[in-house]
Amino acid sequence: QKEVEQDPGPLSVPEGAIVSLNCTYSNSAFQYFMWYRQYSRKGPELLMYTYSSGNKEDGRFTAQVDKSSKYISLFIRDSQPSDSATYLCALTRGSGGSNYKLTFGKGTLLTVNP
Amino acid sequence: GAGVSQSPSNKVTEKGKDVELRCDPISGHTALYWYRQSLGQGLEFLIYFQGNSAPDKSGLPSDRFSAERTGESVSTLTIQRTQQEDSAVYLCASSLVTGNEQYFGPGTRLTVT
Repeated sequence: QKEVEQDPGPLSVPEGAIVSLNCTYSNSAFQYFMWYRQYSRKGPELLMYTYSSGNKEDGRFTAQVDKSSKYISLFIRDSQPSDSATYLCALTRGSGGSNYKLTFGKGTLLTVNP
Repeated sequence: GAGVSQSPSNKVTEKGKDVELRCDPISGHTALYWYRQSLGQGLEFLIYFQGNSAPDKSGLPSDRFSAERTGESVSTLTIQRTQQEDSAVYLCASSLVTGNEQYFGPGTRLTVT
């Protein structure tokens, strides 16, 4: 079993839709949870990071973590064509030194159609 | 301010040649990471630097891969005797020593023919 599972999609939605992206993980040692956005032929860009279970909101983006279920989500409200990209969840163990190395999901390719 | 930069952006090399990939982290970031992104494997950790030391090299796939960092700044990833399976995008990220917020460069796309 992979440490982090993420549905690769592709996911295609109309402009204005609410998008839900998800990852599951198997190792309870993961303590920090991040979402990255990656446009084609670009490096990943950090969107959100969170530590605790619950919700964290930033503009149109909401990150949700459920540590008991080992399940994390990213919601995008009022999706725009400019949101079309690959979204990667990333997890770390988080306490000191190389525990900060990121373990990534495979990424979900999202297309928002105008 | 300036972000993480990497060079070259693209590299095509023949099988068996050596290549060097360069990363310039964000100024003041003491932690530096190399990752590799390939179609089949996704994004995978290669090596971590804290300052000029590499306490975690666990992700390097073989002894053909090595990396160094000097002046707590620029890092070079070297691949010797390249193989076709080395073809991938090599990404560098940096962060403040205690931060989880890693900032990525644009990557170097390596193609081994």
